Amino acid sequence: EPEVTQTPSHQVTQMGQEVILRCVPISNHLYFYWYRQILGQKVEFLVSFYNNEISEKSEIFDDQFSVERPDGSNFTLKIRSTKLEDSAMYFCASRQDSALTNEKLFFGSGTQLSVL
Amino acid sequence: AQSVTQPDIHITVSEGASLELRCNYSYGATPYLFWYVQSPGQGLQLLLKYFSGDTLVQGIKGFEAEFKRSQSSFNLRKPSVHWSDAAEYFCAVGALFGNEKLTFGTGTRLTIIP
Repeated sequence: EPEVTQTPSHQVTQMGQEVILRCVPISNHLYFYWYRQILGQKVEFLVSFYNNEISEKSEIFDDQFSVERPDGSNFTLKIRSTKLEDSAMYFCASRQDSALTNEKLFFGSGTQLSVL
Repeated sequence: AQSVTQPDIHITVSEGASLELRCNYSYGATPYLFWYVQSPGQGLQLLLKYFSGDTLVQGIKGFEAEFKRSQSSFNLRKPSVHWSDAAEYFCAVGALFGNEKLTFGTGTRLTIIP
């Protein structure tokens, strides 16, 4: 089965530093997502991306966050100035363009971000 | 607003015993319901989904779930668990059309004892 790849698997950073989380979605997919899971809490939607622009974002996705698809294969999440509360597992997901949304979301294995 | 409730944070069952994980949802339109499993160090893997038709849906790894509209529930079941089923299980709800996000429950951690 095709896979969504995320790197790194674990990232440690100092508060206030910028981090970039990287994802390689499945090659023929057109919709891309970032979700996060703070330890012990539910998986939360952050942002969806289609046709090179954000299609929806949550309240969590403030000005400190940005997404980019720089080269047609990578999909990145940048946090400009990390805060302690940004520590979480970040999941990338992608799906094909189909009439039935959510037909199948493929999730990556996640990047565990630890902000010290 | 849509929401998902998984009332059991942690469940422990013996290997070979039956399993039922509870999920209740709140959604204004016809829901599209999912169960995902997350093994340690792994991503979220889709077990099964429901949007219409037979209210009992079969998934991978021997799991099934039953949609009960009157109870707003979508409980996950397995007749006989295996040690490899130990994982975190998430119920989620989404829209059928549009680009709407999935809303997840808080998850249920399943422990299997020999």
